[in-house]
Amino acid sequence: IAGITQAPTSQILAAGRRMTLRCTQDMRHNAMYWYRQDLGLGLRLIHYSNTAGTTGKGEVPDGYSVSRANTDDFPLTLASAVPSQTSVYFCASSVSGSNEQFFGPGTRLTVL
Amino acid sequence: GQNIDQPTEMTATEGAIVQINCTYQTSGFNGLFWYQQHAGEAPTFLSYNVLDGLEEKGRFSSFLSRSKGYSYLLLKELQMKDSASYLCAVLDSNYQLIWGAGTKLIIKP
Repeated sequence: IAGITQAPTSQILAAGRRMTLRCTQDMRHNAMYWYRQDLGLGLRLIHYSNTAGTTGKGEVPDGYSVSRANTDDFPLTLASAVPSQTSVYFCASSVSGSNEQFFGPGTRLTVL
Repeated sequence: GQNIDQPTEMTATEGAIVQINCTYQTSGFNGLFWYQQHAGEAPTFLSYNVLDGLEEKGRFSSFLSRSKGYSYLLLKELQMKDSASYLCAVLDSNYQLIWGAGTKLIIKP
């Protein structure tokens, strides 16, 4: 692994299904983030984690949950997907909250 | 509320210079970032300004005026590969990044 990876690359999901998007980084960064990016809108923060064992809510947290059991992994779970969660999801990490963020390649999610 | 404004789209000619502006109104300020995002790809870091003035990095420069809530990204000697979206983001008082919607830059030969 080099940098930050996400899986899956893309997914089509039926409404009501549960889905976990995976994110792993090997840079030993303390902070990790989940964003969604929709056409015409800026990146919007869903959840973040400043260090392993802690998480916080961003601008649009409803319908999503995260966990940070260790430094490297930061999965995002949609408990019961809805069509409005159709988006491109980016995971990012940084040394700390004030440093540049490095982004994963993204997951394109379609909820039907 | 918090707000980042940047033009939706700009067009420039290969070899020319283009300036992309960004104005912001945020709760606190801990720095301003510029990212580049090619279509279908992830954003990548370009520059960071926390003090007033110009930061130069090769063909790219970024300027900040905190009193005016204003920044610009200057791209010189434009190349076709510079066709991308340019994202302005401000680190607010909670150390969360507030993102603009991005400026799509189209380079014509």
